[in-house]
Amino acid sequence: DADVTQTPRNRITKTGKRIMLECSQTKGHDRMYWYRQDPGLGLQLIYYSFDVKDINKGEISDGYSVSRQAQAKFSLSLESAIPNQTALYFCATSARYGYTFGSGTRLTVV
Amino acid sequence: AQSVTQLGSHVSVSEGALVLLRCNYSSSVPPYLFWYVQYPNQGLQLLLKYTSAATLVKGINGFEAEFKKSETSFHLTKPSAHMSDAAEYFCAVGPGNNQGGKLIFGQGTELSVKP
Repeated sequence: DADVTQTPRNRITKTGKRIMLECSQTKGHDRMYWYRQDPGLGLQLIYYSFDVKDINKGEISDGYSVSRQAQAKFSLSLESAIPNQTALYFCATSARYGYTFGSGTRLTVV
Repeated sequence: AQSVTQLGSHVSVSEGALVLLRCNYSSSVPPYLFWYVQYPNQGLQLLLKYTSAATLVKGINGFEAEFKKSETSFHLTKPSAHMSDAAEYFCAVGPGNNQGGKLIFGQGTELSVKP
């Protein structure tokens, strides 16, 4: 099993729908992150969490929310999806100076 | 605050030629620096990282990078390009505090390798 698992791997949803992307990890790391990747923009940080009770906004948090259900689980929600949220989304964990990324969720909003 | 600038969104080299991908950073705290590679339709793979030990860092697949504090640079090099090196490369900066922390990524550089 992968150290950081993202579900679903691919998703097509309609404008206005609520959608949740899930991330779970077996690394035992306290710190978790959500990034989105767009061509030409690299990866931009959406939200990050340094422990279960600590949630922080990143560079581009508007239109997104997160939930840290447990040390191992960090979910990203789009309350009302819009087409410009079409992107590749990555979850990551870290401890000391090691980072582990999930395989990504490709989200398309039509 | 931290930021990363990758010079050149697209670099093209011939097979066997030197690969040089440029990365400059800005950081208000001592940084840790990373290079990641992303092959088409895949996730991110760590190439190498600088964590305040040796300034010349060797990574996988023959890549290396040198941390130059005076130039705030962390350029990625490989002496001889291979067709399999064609991918997108991302430079990233994080806080050098041994606790991890948010990584800030550059915009990415797409490397093409011509036969």
